[in-house]
Amino acid sequence: QTVVTQEPSFSVSPGGTVTLTCGLTSGSVSTEHYPSWYQQLPGQPPRTLIYNTKTRFSGVPDRFSGSILGNKAALTITGAQADDESTFYCVLYMGSGISVFGGGTRLTVV
Amino acid sequence: QVHLVESGGGVVQPGRSLRLSCTGSGFPFHTYALHWVRQAPGKGLEWITVISEVDDLTFYADSVKGRFTISRDNSKNTLFLQMNNLRPDDTAVYFCSSGYYSRDFDYWGQGTRVIVSS
Repeated sequence: QTVVTQEPSFSVSPGGTVTLTCGLTSGSVSTEHYPSWYQQLPGQPPRTLIYNTKTRFSGVPDRFSGSILGNKAALTITGAQADDESTFYCVLYMGSGISVFGGGTRLTVV
Repeated sequence: QVHLVESGGGVVQPGRSLRLSCTGSGFPFHTYALHWVRQAPGKGLEWITVISEVDDLTFYADSVKGRFTISRDNSKNTLFLQMNNLRPDDTAVYFCSSGYYSRDFDYWGQGTRVIVSS
């Protein structure tokens, strides 16, 4: 069974840049997985950031960008702010209607 | 403005059933794919099922296949999740999400909590 992998945690300094990744235990992530990214604060529903690899959702600032880096999907946050401290999830479309979420990356801004 | 509102959660004994609902507004409900995604306490998001934007095709994660059924009533802008034979590991907050395609999760509801416990 293929698992979607994310870094469990990451730290970034205020104003800094961080890249979170989303991979597969078997194989490479490509645009055909239509990777998307979500931000979740505790007790809140997810907020959509990026879909279809690199398209920013409505209202999402351009500090957030998506890409494919090597064999993984990536979410890059530039100019990190205190309120970016949250958990970020990716999801990959596996085909045949099936989607799989990664385990999430808890981002700390310190 | 898009709104998705889940309801129907609660406390239920193992082996019993529960039906969740999700009512949508502010978007063309009948043309969107609709998902249920759950989050167990302290855990990550888990996709469990989708009903497609075309032909109402349904797909399920292995963890719920054969026990849960997704359906929709476009005349009432409502999505359903019939959950049978519930287990303690089904305890979670259940979110509905809409997407332009079955691969998309554009909008999210606030979630409804399900606790399976004797």
